[in-house]
This record gives sequence, C-alpha cells and structure tokens, in this order.
Amino acid sequence: DIQMTQSPSSLSASVGARVTITCRASQGIRDDLGWYQQKPGKAPKRLIYAASSLQSGVPSRFSGSGSGTEFTLTISSLQPEDFATYYCLQHNSYPWTFGQGTKVEIK
Amino acid sequence: EVQLVESGGGLVQPGGSLRLSCGASGFTFSSYWMNWVRQAPGEGLEWVANIKQDGTEKYYMDSVKGRFTISRDNAKNSLYLQMNSLRAEDTAVYYCARGYGPGSQSFPFFPWGQGTLVTVSS
Repeated sequence: DIQMTQSPSSLSASVGARVTITCRASQGIRDDLGWYQQKPGKAPKRLIYAASSLQSGVPSRFSGSGSGTEFTLTISSLQPEDFATYYCLQHNSYPWTFGQGTKVEIK
Repeated sequence: EVQLVESGGGLVQPGGSLRLSCGASGFTFSSYWMNWVRQAPGEGLEWVANIKQDGTEKYYMDSVKGRFTISRDNAKNSLYLQMNSLRAEDTAVYYCARGYGPGSQSFPFFPWGQGTLVTVSS
C-alpha cells in the first residue's frame, strides 16, 4: 500500500499568514493527488485535483504543487473561513489512501 | 446541480448487516466511477470501495474485502454498499463520492454526499 505522510498534523496561524502543508508518498504517484478541506460536521470539499489544478469555484489563494512523491498545498493568505482540516489523497494505486490530515487553527 | 444523497445508516449489532444507498442527480451517473469513503468518529478519511461505470470492476480496502459489496443501478442513478459481518471498527460516517469520468476535471472525489452514520454496537 502507498503511505501518504502529511505534515504538520496541526498548525496555528494568523489571518493573512501563508500556510504550507506537505504530503509525501511512499512511492511515486505521478500527479494522481487531490487536496480536500473539511469543516466540522460537514462533508469534505475538493480544493485541488491532479496535484496542481484548482477546483472551479475555489479561491485562488489555494494552490497545489508537486509530482512523484512530494506535494504541497499552499494558502497564500489565510482567511477566517479557511480554518479547517485538510487532507491529501493518492489515487494512483489501490488501495487509495489519504494523508492523516492537517488541522489549521486560529492563532 | 450535481448532488449525491446517502441513506440507510443506523444502529446495528456486531455481526449484523446494513445496506447503504446513494442517489445521484444533476449528472450522467452511468458515465462515472463511484466511490464510498468513510470517517470514524474523530478520525481521518478512509477510502472504502469503488465501482466502474458498468459495474464490471470493483475495488475494496483490505479490511472490508469479503464483507462489503459495492454495486450500482444505472437505471435508478443509485449506488449501494451492502455491509455484512459488521464490526465495531466499521462505525463511521459513510460518504459516497463521484470519481473518474468524462471531462478534464473528472478526478476523484467531486462531489461528495452529506454522509450517513453507521454505528455498530450492542
């Protein structure tokens, strides 16, 4: 199975801060990676697909990069509505696997 | 509007069975792979299973193989998950989510349903 190691597991940041979350795959997954945002009690929402493509309707402050084994999700200027938990997902080989999540909290 | 609505969750005893359903609307259901994803209380997301457009290919996570069966009815725009021999560790919110399909943005998972809670307890 491909392991997705996501870091950090949590972070505390201020509104306006730049935030970077990393996912490392235990083997190469090309760009078969998505990023998801989840708020408490709600279903996840896709932010990024194919590692770097922005989901329609998602603010441009979100961006994704990477290929192979290392991927990043960047929020260029954190907004109050961005406080949530973020997950990466690899869909390169079965079983598909998520990172363990990064909880972004208010500083 | 593209929409997925799950139903069928509830309380079941260990060893029991439950069938989840997911109704789709707003898109051509038969053109997409479909998935089940779950989330145990306070835990992260876990992909469970998926099924190809015509139902000829199905994939499962190891811990549910032989116990869960994914199926679909394209005429009814519906996805199902038959869960047998349920265990306490299957307790979770179960989401259906659209996967691969036609179009440049058709990668997993978009959109997601609202989820249905399955509780396995005596």
